[in-house]
Amino acid sequence: EAQLVESGGDRVQPGGSLRLSCAVSGFTSTNYWMHWVRQAPGKGLVWVSRINKDGTTTNYADSVKGRFTIYRDNAKNTLYLQMNSLRVEDTGIYFCTKAIARNDMDVWGQGTTVIVSS
Amino acid sequence: QPVLTQPPSESGTPGQTVTISCSGSTSNIGNNNIYWYQQFPGRAPKLLIYKNDLRPSGVPDRFSGSKSGTSGSLVISGLRSEDEADYYCAAWDDSLTGLFGGGTKLTVL
Repeated sequence: EAQLVESGGDRVQPGGSLRLSCAVSGFTSTNYWMHWVRQAPGKGLVWVSRINKDGTTTNYADSVKGRFTIYRDNAKNTLYLQMNSLRVEDTGIYFCTKAIARNDMDVWGQGTTVIVSS
Repeated sequence: QPVLTQPPSESGTPGQTVTISCSGSTSNIGNNNIYWYQQFPGRAPKLLIYKNDLRPSGVPDRFSGSKSGTSGSLVISGLRSEDEADYYCAAWDDSLTGLFGGGTKLTVL
């Protein structure tokens, strides 16, 4: 069974950094595009970033461009999100997802919580 | 800034048919596929519809999707109490960003 498990969420001060990880199991990660999606407390889903199968193509939401970096280590079956210059508005649950093709997210992790607060 | 617009809430009684709409623009729904997700409180979202009208394995055929021009719809027929959840549409935009609608809270009366 395909499974995604996120980790790395924490409480951090504004301007700080965090690295989120997403461990993949039950499927070969090199065959799929993957995404990060976040959800602020009590709010809707917001797309954050995506990466292609071999990590050579990445896209970002305007709100995180230049601050966040998505990358993957297929040898370790792990997806990452490096988050720098964190802002209060980055607070939320971050979900790692796998796509069937490119943008159809059919497998989701349980999420990891990031709190940016002074 | 491209956006997808959904009604914040919809409701229906058991057995009824409910339609949730999603309005976008040429650069997103018009030129790309639409997806629908279901989310229960405290849970991760679940893919209900992909590529406008396709259901993943395990999704009941009570759920159906369609797209016309720059809008899409999710139709839930034979409404059940367990369908009470938040529903989100999503689409890729030609500006190379992903978009989610604001979400629709479905209440089963």
